[in-house]
Amino acid sequence: GAVVSQHPSRVICKSGTSVKIECRSLDFQATTMFWYRQFPKQSLMLMATSNEGSKATYEQGVEKDKFLINHASLTLSTLTVTSAHPEDSSFYICSARDITVGSPLHFGNGTRLTVT
Amino acid sequence: KQEVTQIPAALSVPEGENLVLNCSFTDSAIYNLQWFRQDPGKGLTSLLLIQSSQREQTSGRLNASLDKSSGRSTLYIAASQPGDSATYLCAVSPLSEKLVFGKGTKLTVNP
Repeated sequence: GAVVSQHPSRVICKSGTSVKIECRSLDFQATTMFWYRQFPKQSLMLMATSNEGSKATYEQGVEKDKFLINHASLTLSTLTVTSAHPEDSSFYICSARDITVGSPLHFGNGTRLTVT
Repeated sequence: KQEVTQIPAALSVPEGENLVLNCSFTDSAIYNLQWFRQDPGKGLTSLLLIQSSQREQTSGRLNASLDKSSGRSTLYIAASQPGDSATYLCAVSPLSEKLVFGKGTKLTVNP
């Protein structure tokens, strides 16, 4: 079945540094990928929609200059958390949909970010 | 604004029991509804996808129903097993690819 690989699975960084998270669709092409954030005991909240070859679309309240998204190919999207702060500590999950019409979204295993 | 509610928030049952998880959504204009499983610290595994024109989908011991007009979906798990212990998330797609998630139901199946 379709697989989405997300890397790293866990990262700890110091406040003020930047962290890059990769999301790859391994056996299908995805023109659109989605980035979610999940705080403990909360719903997954969509942060942004990543479109291959164009600018990402951010949800209201998400700072585009802080959460940089690049979708350079049909199989790779990256999320960079710039100048991370402790409040950015969360679980980040990406998802991708096969370009085949009607396919379900496939999710990565998530990245646990801890900012100290 | 679409809102998704899942009841109960947590459920503990003995092994072998049949159980039902509930999901409700406020806007019936949806493209599809999807049930996911999330294990602790892990990503999501898609269990069942129901298109807006469908009433139910089945996969093994899982059956999901959709009543779009009333804004409800249920996930039925037959003969539950300890390996079914996880958080189950319901998500609707409001006429776009964006998903709106509920907070999930944490299921514990006791041996």
